[in-house]
Amino acid sequence: NAGVTQTPKFRVLKTGQSMTLLCAQDMNHEYMYWYRQDPGMGLRLIHYSVGEGTTAKGEVPDGYNVSRLKKQNFLLGLESAAPSQTSVYFCASSYSTSFTRTGTYEQYFGPGTRLTVT
Amino acid sequence: AQSVTQLDSHVSVSEGTPVLLRCNYSSSYSPSLFWYVQHPNKGLQLLLKYTSAATLVKGINGFEAEFKKSETSFHLTKPSAHMSDAAEYFCVVTVSYNTDKLIFGTGTRLQVFP
Repeated sequence: NAGVTQTPKFRVLKTGQSMTLLCAQDMNHEYMYWYRQDPGMGLRLIHYSVGEGTTAKGEVPDGYNVSRLKKQNFLLGLESAAPSQTSVYFCASSYSTSFTRTGTYEQYFGPGTRLTVT
Repeated sequence: AQSVTQLDSHVSVSEGTPVLLRCNYSSSYSPSLFWYVQHPNKGLQLLLKYTSAATLVKGINGFEAEFKKSETSFHLTKPSAHMSDAAEYFCVVTVSYNTDKLIFGTGTRLQVFP
């Protein structure tokens, strides 16, 4: 049971280049999330997915696109990278809270991808 | 709007002394609250969570937190710090009732001196 894995671990891009970050989970979780972490700002939600084939915008979605073609995978794309997208990106997954009366399920996080855009 | 404030950006303690990391939240309903820990260059790991059951929540590695509605606080404590506790700690609140969307505090970096 690998939990949540992210590929790649590190990446350096030039301004204007594109790339895709891959997140995979083997816990059969319905929900998946992409966050970015910047110094002094905690984690901010970029996009999330409540199930296969569905995606939604989070707090800071501009400049990013996502896809969830398979339940276990959640891809984050940068079509034209900018220096402001230099950050550490975390993927997370969780069970759906929709049908519980006992509060929100915890999220399980991957190890992160450190992206630098020059 | 819901929000969470971690009152200290850095906390330093000596090994064997108590740890207190402070967190206040703002919410118009009964939220779920979490503490996560992040060791250097690692992902986030759940320490403990409060979801409207017992107000004193025990977590992993000897940490616990108490939900105080009257004070809108959810402070994290540990009786005796260990060197391995040195990490960044995040207090997290849910956006609304029974939702999976979270709001993260800005983090508290805990240093432990021998």
